[in-house]
Amino acid sequence: QQQVKQSPQSLIVQKGGISIINCAYENTAFDYFPWYQQFPGKGPALLIAIRPDVSEKKEGRFTISFNKSAKQFSLHIMDSQPGDSATYFCAAGMKTSYDKVIFGPGTSLSVIP
Amino acid sequence: GAVVSQHPSWVICKSGTSVKIECRSLDFQATTMFWYRQFPKQSLMLMATSNEGSKATYEQGVEKDKFLINHASLTLSTLTVTSAHPEDSSFYICSASRGVSNQPQHFGDGTRLSIL
Repeated sequence: QQQVKQSPQSLIVQKGGISIINCAYENTAFDYFPWYQQFPGKGPALLIAIRPDVSEKKEGRFTISFNKSAKQFSLHIMDSQPGDSATYFCAAGMKTSYDKVIFGPGTSLSVIP
Repeated sequence: GAVVSQHPSWVICKSGTSVKIECRSLDFQATTMFWYRQFPKQSLMLMATSNEGSKATYEQGVEKDKFLINHASLTLSTLTVTSAHPEDSSFYICSASRGVSNQPQHFGDGTRLSIL
């Protein structure tokens, strides 16, 4: 029930295209959904986060879409660039402790020229 | 943004030795720090949560006598891998949090530990 599922495991997108990563959760107590970006040999960095009271949040080229009834959320990267090539992790946490989250298994994104 | 520094970034040592990894929050007081372990091409696995001045809370399956965690101040937590063996080789990442309910954790850049 604590698991966060993520797909695809890996993704190759052409420069300028849209990268889409999907996540799903079971525990309805989760109410904080961040996305992290990790480059090789580095720690993860918070990219964007959403709470379930909104269905979409956009920050620059990054958009989170949230479907509460389906318990699913996704990350869209518009106009994908080679510099976006990294591993992306979705995560889920609870309002009582946003700082402790459960991570999804990750998606390795490669943006090719 | 918040900065968390982790040291060393890479360490190689012989089997049987102990290794200490430091995690410092440079520009904020971290009431809570987390330690993760990450194997190649895998997700982050939470090992333990430490609150300043308290004993760490370990996740199920993590040996607390092997992975000693100390969080003596609001800016420093240490992870000591005792009697390290090759299977302990991994990427260890810390994160720090202000402990406020709507504030996210901030991650260090990790420590690559290789046990020969």
